[in-house]
Amino acid sequence: AQSVAQPEDQVNVAEGNPLTVKCTYSVSGNPYLFWYVQYPNRGLQFLLKYITGDNLVKGSYGFEAEFNKSQTSFHLKKPSALVSDSALYFCAASGGNNRKLIWGLGTSLAVNP
Amino acid sequence: NAGVTQTPKFQVLKTGQSMTLQCAQDMNHEYMSWYRQDPGMGLRLIHYSVGAGITDQGEVPNGYNVSRSTTEDFPLRLLSAAPSQTSVYFCASSYLQGGRGEQYFGPGTRLTVT
Repeated sequence: AQSVAQPEDQVNVAEGNPLTVKCTYSVSGNPYLFWYVQYPNRGLQFLLKYITGDNLVKGSYGFEAEFNKSQTSFHLKKPSALVSDSALYFCAASGGNNRKLIWGLGTSLAVNP
Repeated sequence: NAGVTQTPKFQVLKTGQSMTLQCAQDMNHEYMSWYRQDPGMGLRLIHYSVGAGITDQGEVPNGYNVSRSTTEDFPLRLLSAAPSQTSVYFCASSYLQGGRGEQYFGPGTRLTVT
């Protein structure tokens, strides 16, 4: 069965420190991978996606994600966290001929001043 | 461009009432979908459409109907509201079917069924 796992419900980092939000996936065929962010009482916003090409994908607001095929992971990263990055982050994936998008349960990121 | 708009923002219904959640997009996207978001359960797909006149069920379709008469509009109808339908509902659109392209989300409708 296809699945997306975000192993941490919550991640806490200090402002200015690097942050990582983890995501692993299990899909058939070549993966299509996405990260979205949800600020409080708002809809989800697209951050970045991986379809093919470079393993390091750059996205909005200084975020980037690293695709690792052998570990089936797509971790979201940012070199220096801001308090305004505090939000809920969702990873999503689809694969092969199956166009169904599988969502992770989300990781709450808290950046402390 | 307004993007994806949803109305109403908030709604309270009594058990058994019906209502329609409105969704519209002005990006000429073929693919549209409805999700519900519940604590600890992430996003769950209710119904989706790959173009005007074509709709299909997602993973939690029971109790909901949709139609797609135009590219722009994709309303979600609750036929007989139940407390289990208390949730936040999001509409999304994409230029590619959901698993291939980035999706654009509306601001959501917070529904409470008493």
